[in-house]
Amino acid sequence: GIQVEQSPPDLILQEGANSTLRCNFSDSVNNLQWFHQNPWGQLINLFYIPSGTKQNGRLSATTVATERYSLLYISSSQTTDSGVYFCAARQNYGQNFVFGPGTRLSVLP
Amino acid sequence: DSGVTQTPKHLITATGQRVTLRCSPRSGDLSVYWYQQSLDQGLQFLIQYYNGEERAKGNILERFSAQQFPDLHSELNLSSLELGDSALYFCASSPRTRLHNEQFFGPGTRLTVL
Repeated sequence: GIQVEQSPPDLILQEGANSTLRCNFSDSVNNLQWFHQNPWGQLINLFYIPSGTKQNGRLSATTVATERYSLLYISSSQTTDSGVYFCAARQNYGQNFVFGPGTRLSVLP
Repeated sequence: DSGVTQTPKHLITATGQRVTLRCSPRSGDLSVYWYQQSLDQGLQFLIQYYNGEERAKGNILERFSAQQFPDLHSELNLSSLELGDSALYFCASSPRTRLHNEQFFGPGTRLTVL
């Protein structure tokens, strides 16, 4: 099945800094999503982005499907951005949806 | 709020027992997915149902079973519980179309097996 890797595993930032999180996947996908798991355990949808670029406020994401990676950009980070960021991918409908191991982000005041 | 509901929020039980976790998908979503998140295994896909039928199966133990009912809510049954089953169990749902199958997650059920 598909393999999903994320980097870096941990990231510590000062408030106001920018960051880039990376997700690599081993095969073509028809579904790729980014999630934020907050300190209370909730999984919040950030982007549904099997290809292309999307922006939502301070966050944006780009997936280059032909090169099998996706990037999540966080600008002007805030303490509320802290938590774990997961990407998850699926090759085809009806197959397993695979999560990466996550990037743990800590934003310091 | 994603629109996916899960009950109960927390569950504490003993080894050997059986529990049932419940999930109601977003209005209109036909697919329901179950995931397990434990500290050492990360987020693992367990099983997917679509309109009452099993559609995909992941790393689901034989002691675990699930079903989706005609009203589209789903239940995950965990039996002969072991300490290692302690985890956060998530349900997710997605729209009916194959072209856009974005998943939306419920708040999870935290299971503690003592």
